[in-house]
Amino acid sequence: GENVEQHPSTLSVQEGDSAVIKCTYSDSASNYFPWYKQELGKGPQLIIDIRSNVGEKKDQRIAVTLNKTAKHFSLHITETQPEDSAVYFCAATHSGYSTLTFGKGTMLLVSP
Amino acid sequence: GAGVSQTPSNKVTEKGKYVELRCDPISGHTALYWYRQSLGQGPEFLIYFQGTGAADDSGLPNDRFFAVRPEGSVSTLKIQRTERGDSAVYLCASSLWGTSGTLDTQYFGPGTRLTVL
Repeated sequence: GENVEQHPSTLSVQEGDSAVIKCTYSDSASNYFPWYKQELGKGPQLIIDIRSNVGEKKDQRIAVTLNKTAKHFSLHITETQPEDSAVYFCAATHSGYSTLTFGKGTMLLVSP
Repeated sequence: GAGVSQTPSNKVTEKGKYVELRCDPISGHTALYWYRQSLGQGPEFLIYFQGTGAADDSGLPNDRFFAVRPEGSVSTLKIQRTERGDSAVYLCASSLWGTSGTLDTQYFGPGTRLTVL
């Protein structure tokens, strides 16, 4: 089955800096890669996703890149703000299988 | 519009007891998923419903766990003879289609935190 590795497990940045979280996956058939943000006591909320037919996707301060050859994808957050502090999860799946395989998460702390 | 809701938000029970956890998906969503999230980990898949039927229950850890979705909307996750190792946050998600060949977004509820004493 699919295996998703996520790094780093924790990330501390100063407000205004950029943050990068990286994930690798094992199943070459995977073609959908969502990123979720989870705040304390809440469920995961989708922030951005990417399908395998594109290499990059942006939404304001958030971007995701995908390298299918290397089987890795990354989340980039620019101009970080304290409210970006949360746990971020990457996930992977493919069109023949509907459930998501998640990484272990990255705790992002943005200091004012 | 209303998102995925789960009740109760917290459940404390004693070892050996039976518990039921409820999930109300987004109206009109065909697919419903249950995940379990242990402390410091990502969600792990338990079971997936397409309409009323369980399309994939390969993530259920053992036969103490069972889930139903009798009318294709609300789902109940049932755990018999609870053990301390069952303590976790149980998350429910729904998506519009969820069928093989589609890649629609899964929307998560807030979860039920289960504590087995």
